[in-house]
Order: sequence, then C-alpha cells, then structure tokens
Amino acid sequence: EPEVTQTPSHQVTQMGQEVILRCVPISNHLYFYWYRQILGQKVEFLVSFYNNEISEKSEIFDDQFSVERPDGSNFTLKIRSTKLEDSAMYFCASRADRGPAYEQYFGPGTRLTVT
Amino acid sequence: AQSVTQPDIHITVSEGASLELRCNYSYGATPYLFWYVQSPGQGLQLLLKYFSGDTLVQGIKGFEAEFKRSQSSFNLRKPSVHWSDAAEYFCAVGLMEYGNKLVFGAGTILRVKS
Repeated sequence: EPEVTQTPSHQVTQMGQEVILRCVPISNHLYFYWYRQILGQKVEFLVSFYNNEISEKSEIFDDQFSVERPDGSNFTLKIRSTKLEDSAMYFCASRADRGPAYEQYFGPGTRLTVT
Repeated sequence: AQSVTQPDIHITVSEGASLELRCNYSYGATPYLFWYVQSPGQGLQLLLKYFSGDTLVQGIKGFEAEFKRSQSSFNLRKPSVHWSDAAEYFCAVGLMEYGNKLVFGAGTILRVKS
C-alpha cells in the first residue's frame, strides 16, 4: 500500500539554524499538508498546498516558515531560524483530490529538537 | 471558531471490555469527522470517517462511531478491546472551505489492562 514518507525521523538543531524537513507524498496525490504536535499537545494545522501554491495557512505559519515542492515527488517544510518553541513532531499529509471522500494520509513524522 | 473536544485525557479499560471514547465538535456547517489512532512513535492512522449518509460508520480494527447531530458528537466505540488497542486516539473535523484542513481534539490515551 502506498504511504507518505518523511525524512529525517529525528532532527536536532541549534537555535537560529535553518532546517528543512522532507516529505514524499503518495505519488498521485494533489493536496499536501504540514501539521505539528508539540509534546503533550494536540496536533495543529500549519499549512496546505495545492497546485504549487499555499491554499491555507495558520497563524503559526509565519515568515520563518516556507514550503516548497521542488520536484514532482518531494514536499518540504523549511524553518529559517529555529526557535526553542519550534521543537515538536512535524507530520506531512497528502490527499488525492478535493471532496470529503478523500482522506488525508499521514507520514510517520519528523521529531525536531531545537537546543 | 471550529473546535473539537475530547473530554477524557486518559481512559483505562480491561482487555475484553467495551470502549467508548467521546468527541464533541463545534462547527457551523456540515461536519466531516474523523478518528485517527497514534501508537507510540508512529504517525496517524485513519480509523474511520463520516461525511454523509448512515450515521453509524464502521472502521478498521473493529471500531465504529456514531454521528449525532443533535448532540454535536461523534463517539468512537469498540465492543471488545484488545491489548494492541492501547494508543492515543484523536477526533478531528475536516473544514472543507479551508482546503480540508483538519482540526484535532487533544486526544485520549487508552490504556488496556490484562
């Protein structure tokens, strides 16, 4: 069964450094998402992406964050200058099409630790 | 604003006992509702979803959920819990007008005692 993959599984970085989290969505999917889960808290929506542009973003997704689909397979989340409070599990998700019948498939997550 | 409430942070049940996890949502339009499960160190796996039709939906692993519009609820049930069901369960509402982003509840941690 096709699945969403994410790399790395765990990333440790120093405050102020740039990080890029990578995701490979399911190949025929058109909609892509990033969510994050701070330890002990709920999963929060960050951004959705369709047709090579952001379709929706949350207030968390400020100028320090950016997303890109650099080729036909990868979907990346970049944090320009990490802060301690960016430490979280980051989940990528993809969806085949619009409409309620199409569910989001989640990757296993990348645990980001900012020291 | 849209929100999802899972009132139980932790639930402990005995293996073989029945289970009900509660979920209430606040959303003005027709809700699209989901239950996801997360095992330790794993991603989110979809258990079941509701978007129209029969209000009792069946999912994987023997789970079912019932949508009750009058109560704004979408409770998850299983008649007989197995030790492997121990995990964290998240209820979510899908917002179609916002790119179908998901708004999650805080989660319920299920412990199963033998």
